[in-house]
Amino acid sequence: SYVLTQPPSLSVAPGRTARITCGGNNIGGKSVAWYQQKPGQAPVLVIYYDDDRPSGISERFSGSNSGNTATLIISRVEAGDEAEYYCHVWDRGSDHWVFGGGTELTVL
Amino acid sequence: EVQLVESGGGLVQPGGSLRLSCTVSGFRFSTYAMTWVRQAPGKGLEWVSTLTGTGDNTYYRDSVKGRFTVSRDNSKNTLFLQMNSLRAEDSAIYYCAKDLVAITPSGILDVWGKGTTVTVSS
Repeated sequence: SYVLTQPPSLSVAPGRTARITCGGNNIGGKSVAWYQQKPGQAPVLVIYYDDDRPSGISERFSGSNSGNTATLIISRVEAGDEAEYYCHVWDRGSDHWVFGGGTELTVL
Repeated sequence: EVQLVESGGGLVQPGGSLRLSCTVSGFRFSTYAMTWVRQAPGKGLEWVSTLTGTGDNTYYRDSVKGRFTVSRDNSKNTLFLQMNSLRAEDSAIYYCAKDLVAITPSGILDVWGKGTTVTVSS
């Protein structure tokens, strides 16, 4: 089965850029979505089709996807960005959808 | 406003059954695929099942195949998840979520409910 690998945690100072990676075999050939989940809340879609933002999501959120790594990029990080972030793809070969294990972003 | 509200969770013994419901409003329900995602306590998100808008095509993760059945009643704007032969490892918050794209399931989940909690324990 297809596996997505994320670092468990990342710490970033306010105002800096956070880059959260999501590794998978030839993930560059797939379309990646990213979700933000704050404690006690349901997930929120922040990026889809690798680098599209839903309406209402800050332009500070962007994404990239190439080779074996997709990346969620959060510019000018704010305290309110503290959350767990999950990458998500459809594995066409198995007709299964797969989540990464999640990355906890801490704003120092 | 698009809303999804899950219900039907609770405490059930191993081997028991539960039926979850997800009632939606604010969009043309029959046009969109719907997905169930779960999250065990302190763990990450786990895709469970997806159902196309017409109900013709279903998808399940391997660990629930044969035990869970996803269905929908488009006349009542409601999605269901029938869960049989429940195991302790099925304990989780179960979220229903709407697909971003109409007609063909993309798996991009643009609206989520708040979830309903299932606890499997003796």
